[in-house]
Amino acid sequence: AQKVTQAQTEISVVEKEDVTLDCVYETRDTTYYLFWYKQPPSGELVFLIRRNSFDEQNEISGRYSWNFQKSTSSFNFTITASQVVDSAVYFCALSEAGDNFNKFYFGSGTKLNVKP
Amino acid sequence: DVKVTQSSRYLVKRTGEKVFLECVQDMDHENMFWYRQDPGLGLRLIYFSYDVKMKEKGDIPEGYSVSREKKERFSLILESASTNQTSMYLCASSLSYVDEQFFGPGTRLTVL
Repeated sequence: AQKVTQAQTEISVVEKEDVTLDCVYETRDTTYYLFWYKQPPSGELVFLIRRNSFDEQNEISGRYSWNFQKSTSSFNFTITASQVVDSAVYFCALSEAGDNFNKFYFGSGTKLNVKP
Repeated sequence: DVKVTQSSRYLVKRTGEKVFLECVQDMDHENMFWYRQDPGLGLRLIYFSYDVKMKEKGDIPEGYSVSREKKERFSLILESASTNQTSMYLCASSLSYVDEQFFGPGTRLTVL
């Protein structure tokens, strides 16, 4: 089973629309960390946010917001009033402490196309 | 400024060649990672290292090996390159498992 599932392979929106990228994770650990990364067309992954399993507060950063819900094992990412510069592949990731060493898992990514 | 560098952006090799991909980070990070990225599959972890000379297999280690002789450098080795190893290879580092990973620009490897 996938540890991190991003069911939306590709999403297309028109500029100024709001868009939500879904992320569902699976873990048995009580302590874990969730991340979102952005990979623009230039290719280099850029870190967006980290959330630990004990902090379910939603976070807002400008046009970006994140909704963490442990009850549904989801960590969704919303872009408000999307812009063309938001076009990228977005990855959700999970980090958990394994028995001997930590483990990392990335989702398959969601490609976001924002059209003018 | 935090930096992860990879030795090549593009590489073309022949089947059966031994290939070295080098990664260097300047942040004194403990953890270093090698991923490959293929369309529709996201990032898949090949190997990671949590300390000098320490390494652990990721999800797809077959056909690869790694070396970490110094803290700042993590090398990925393809002992005998095959066409199915044509991919984008990404190196990353992090201070610990609770911290974000910093990624290099990637190496696009083509094996003919």
